[in-house]
Amino acid sequence: EPEVTQTPSHQVTQMGQEVILRCVPISNHLYFYWYRQILGQKVEFLVSFYNNEISEKSEIFDDQFSVERPDGSNFTLKIRSTKLEDSAMYFCASSITADTQYFGPGTRLTVL
Amino acid sequence: EDQVTQSPEALRLQEGESSSLNCSYTVSGLRGLFWYRQDPGKGPEFLFTLYSAGEEKEKERLKATLTKKESFLHITAPKPEDSATYLCAVQRIYNQGGKLIFGQGTELSVKP
Repeated sequence: EPEVTQTPSHQVTQMGQEVILRCVPISNHLYFYWYRQILGQKVEFLVSFYNNEISEKSEIFDDQFSVERPDGSNFTLKIRSTKLEDSAMYFCASSITADTQYFGPGTRLTVL
Repeated sequence: EDQVTQSPEALRLQEGESSSLNCSYTVSGLRGLFWYRQDPGKGPEFLFTLYSAGEEKEKERLKATLTKKESFLHITAPKPEDSATYLCAVQRIYNQGGKLIFGQGTELSVKP
């Protein structure tokens, strides 16, 4: 069964450093998403991406964040200068029709 | 403001003891309501999508129902492997990006 994959599973970084989180969505899906979950809190929407552009972004998704689909299979989230409060699980999701979304296993980001 | 509230926050059941989880929502036009299962340290795993009041979906021991204000996830004769956090999310109509708004989840523990 096709699934969303994410790398790395755990990323540790120093405050102020840049990180890139990578995702491979399900191959025939057209809509791509990033969510995050701070420990003990709700899953929060960050950004949606369709047809090579951002469809919607949340207040969290400020100028420090960017997304890219560099080729036909990968979808990345970049955080330019990480802060302590960026520590969270980051989930990638994909969907055929912006309807039911399938999530990856997540990347745990720890900012020291 | 769109909002999703789940109750109870935590539920402990004995194996075989049926129960229900509640998801109350406020959204300016519902496109869909989604149930996910999340195991510790993992990504949300899709269970059901419901679109209109009166709709029901079933999968093994789980049955999801929807009204105009809330959804229920009924668990019949649960087993220890059903232990997980169950997440409810809604999607607003006319939202092209497909953003999901999550509740805080119900943590289910099933003891043998």
